[in-house]
Amino acid sequence: KNQVEQSPQSLIILEGKNCTLQCNYTVSPFSNLRWYKQDTGRGPVSLTIMTFSENTKSNGRYTATLDADTKQSSLHITASQLSDSASYICVVSRGSGNTGKLIFGQGTTLQVKP
Amino acid sequence: EPEVTQTPSHQVTQMGQEVILRCVPISNHLYFYWYRQILGQKVEFLVSFYNNEISEKSEIFDDQFSVERPDGSNFTLKIRSTKLEDSAMYFCASSDSETYEQYFGPGTRLTVT
Repeated sequence: KNQVEQSPQSLIILEGKNCTLQCNYTVSPFSNLRWYKQDTGRGPVSLTIMTFSENTKSNGRYTATLDADTKQSSLHITASQLSDSASYICVVSRGSGNTGKLIFGQGTTLQVKP
Repeated sequence: EPEVTQTPSHQVTQMGQEVILRCVPISNHLYFYWYRQILGQKVEFLVSFYNNEISEKSEIFDDQFSVERPDGSNFTLKIRSTKLEDSAMYFCASSDSETYEQYFGPGTRLTVT
């Protein structure tokens, strides 16, 4: 069954600290893996997209890794800010290119406290 | 910066009524999508649309659902006879032919009473 599982379900950290979110997937055929940030009541916003051959990609303070052999990914957030408080969703594209179906994880809710 | 827009932001309807959710994708994009998110649950794929036809649809997208691109700018999702379980946030997304990036709209919250 095509699934994306994330951990932890929720996380609270202090402003300025780092954190790492985990994602495991069983999606086939695999096209690419994405991390999205979703603020409450808003649409998801893309942070990174990685294909099979990429094992790390950064976007500012966000760094995603991908191990296609173990089917695991992580999102590392450096020097967290209050505005990082949101849900972070791991999404795997099944199939090919733009017509690939996106399989969403349940998200990790991150709360950054001052 | 170009963005996907959706109207209305919140729609309340009675069970059995038809609703049309509207989206204006980014102007040069060619691929369009609808997703839904029931409160507290995962985002779920509904349908993808390219070249004026459905590319792929999920098992959720049954005969009660339809999509249309009535003109050069709008992309609509119609639910013919709403059910209580259709209550959810509905997101439209679009992407171009160069990248895999999907840009999501802010969503329409549909409440069926």
